[in-house]
Amino acid sequence: GIQVEQSPPDLILQEGANSTLRCNFSDSVNNLQWFHQNPWGQLINLFYIPSGTKQNGRLSATTVATERYSLLYISSSQTTDSGVYFCAVDSNQAGTALIFGKGTTLSVSS
Amino acid sequence: ETGVTQSPTHLIKTRGQQVTLRCSSQSGHNTVSWYQQALGQGPQFIFQYYREEENGRGNFPPRFSGLQFPNYSSELNVNALELDDSALYLCASSRAPQGYEQYFGPGTRLTVT
Repeated sequence: GIQVEQSPPDLILQEGANSTLRCNFSDSVNNLQWFHQNPWGQLINLFYIPSGTKQNGRLSATTVATERYSLLYISSSQTTDSGVYFCAVDSNQAGTALIFGKGTTLSVSS
Repeated sequence: ETGVTQSPTHLIKTRGQQVTLRCSSQSGHNTVSWYQQALGQGPQFIFQYYREEENGRGNFPPRFSGLQFPNYSSELNVNALELDDSALYLCASSRAPQGYEQYFGPGTRLTVT
């Protein structure tokens, strides 16, 4: 089945730093989403981005579908950005499932 | 617009018991998918319901079953609970089965003792 790999697995930053999270996937996709999971387990939608570039405040994302990767940029990080970031894809190969990567755990300290 | 809701928030069950988890989809969404997230892992797809029919299933045994109702809300039933079923159960709704953004509820945390 389709493979989704996220890197790095862990990231430790000082408040104000910038970071880039990467998601590689092994097949063409219909849908790619980035989520932030808060400490209570809720998955917060960040971006729906099967291709192209989007920005929302300090966050932006780029998906290069032809090269099968997506990047999530976090600028001027804040302590509230801490948590786990997941990339998830759906593809014809996976049927109707959203396939998640293992996540990147981000810790931002003040 | 009401988001995806789930109940209960937490649940403690004993091995061998049965459990039912509930999910209400977001307004305008006709598709509900269920996921299991073990501690430290990404969510794993259990199954999807579309127009009251199962529309795709992950690698979970038949004791995991579900229902979707005419108002598009859904239930996840787990029979003969095992200790490994302890996890966060997430439901997501979307406008259609594939290619559309999925929105997740807050989850139900199930503990099996």
